[in-house]
Amino acid sequence: NAGVTQTPKFRVLKTGQSMTLLCAQDMNHEYMYWYRQDQGMGLRLIHYSVGEGTTAKGEVPDGYNVSRLKKQNFLLGLESAAPSQTSVYFCAAQRGFKEKLFFGSGTQLSVL
Amino acid sequence: GQQVMQIPQYQHVQEGEDFTTYCNSSTTLSNIQWYKQRPGGHPVFLIQLVKSGEVKKQKRLTFQFGEAKKNSSLHITATQTTDVGTYFCAGQGIRDDMRFGAGTRLTVKP
Repeated sequence: NAGVTQTPKFRVLKTGQSMTLLCAQDMNHEYMYWYRQDQGMGLRLIHYSVGEGTTAKGEVPDGYNVSRLKKQNFLLGLESAAPSQTSVYFCAAQRGFKEKLFFGSGTQLSVL
Repeated sequence: GQQVMQIPQYQHVQEGEDFTTYCNSSTTLSNIQWYKQRPGGHPVFLIQLVKSGEVKKQKRLTFQFGEAKKNSSLHITATQTTDVGTYFCAGQGIRDDMRFGAGTRLTVKP
């Protein structure tokens, strides 16, 4: 039982490149979230999903897209990476409303 | 949209001193949760408060939820070096998403 797994753990991109971050959970949780955490800062919500096939925008959605085609996976895409997207990205899963969040170990992304 | 504010941003204490962090939401919350993140790690759930005026304790940690369900606090009594880390509050409002405060980074001098 791995909980929440994020891949990759580290990535370096050049400006304009695209990539997809994968979040996988084996807990059958309904809700999933993508957050970014800038150096020394808090967690800002990018996008989230309350169930398979659904997605919604969070606080800072611009420049990102997401998909939740399968309940266990939540993908975060960067179509054209920018230096401002350099950050640590955390995925989290939540069984349902008013339940605790389980976080993955994070993806450190640098955009040069 | 819903905003969650947290103060102070940093707190440096001598081991044995108390520590408090405060959280305020711009809207009424359905529940508030507290997380701890150790340096280099990911946030880990500590506790959830749901009821107006609720108070919960975990050993040296005391958590409170305001009567109006818009504010919360975490108090640590007699800090230890193991308490080092960043403490985040997170609120879920009428909408479904969970918003985090900016966190309070606690350092403890032995």
